[in-house]
Amino acid sequence: KNQVEQSPQSLIILEGKNCTLQCNYTVSPFSNLRWYKQDTGRGPVSLTIMTFSENTKSNGRYTATLDADTKQSSLHITASQLSDSASYICVVTRAGNMLTFGGGTRLMVKP
Amino acid sequence: GAGVSQSPRYKVAKRGQDVALRCDPISGHVSLFWYQQALGQGPEFLTYFQNEAQLDKSGLPSDRFFAERPEGSVSTLKIQRTQQEDSAVYLCASSLKPRDNSYEQYFGPGTRLTVT
Repeated sequence: KNQVEQSPQSLIILEGKNCTLQCNYTVSPFSNLRWYKQDTGRGPVSLTIMTFSENTKSNGRYTATLDADTKQSSLHITASQLSDSASYICVVTRAGNMLTFGGGTRLMVKP
Repeated sequence: GAGVSQSPRYKVAKRGQDVALRCDPISGHVSLFWYQQALGQGPEFLTYFQNEAQLDKSGLPSDRFFAERPEGSVSTLKIQRTQQEDSAVYLCASSLKPRDNSYEQYFGPGTRLTVT
């Protein structure tokens, strides 16, 4: 079964700290993996996209990694800001552009 | 330019009522997707349109759910005889190319449906 599992389900950190979110997937055949940020009451917005051959991709303070052999990805947030409070969703695309979404990690950054 | 818009943003329906949710995709986008997102969960696929053709409706949970995109732009998701388990956020996304091209999907803000 095509699945995307994320951990932790929720996370609270202090402003300025770093954190790492995890994503494991069993989706096949794999096309690409995206991390989305979803603010409360908004639709998801893409942060990074990685294909099979890419190991790491950065977007400002966000750095995503991908290990296609172990089918694991991580999203590292550096020097967190209050505006980083949101849900972060790992999305794996299968061939045919079928998206399989993880359940998300709800991050809260406190001052 | 304008992104994907959805209306209404919030809808409260009594059990048994019919509802219609609207999606305005980005102009010129060929692909349009509907997703259902339960509270605290990731979105789940409902249906896909390529222009006006509904090519995939494998995710629709029951025959009470119906979607259309008659002119290949605006789409409407209709839910008949709503039930409490239909309460969720309904997300619409559009993409520039047909689905097989793996182009990015741009999401609207969603419609939060609450069935009482």
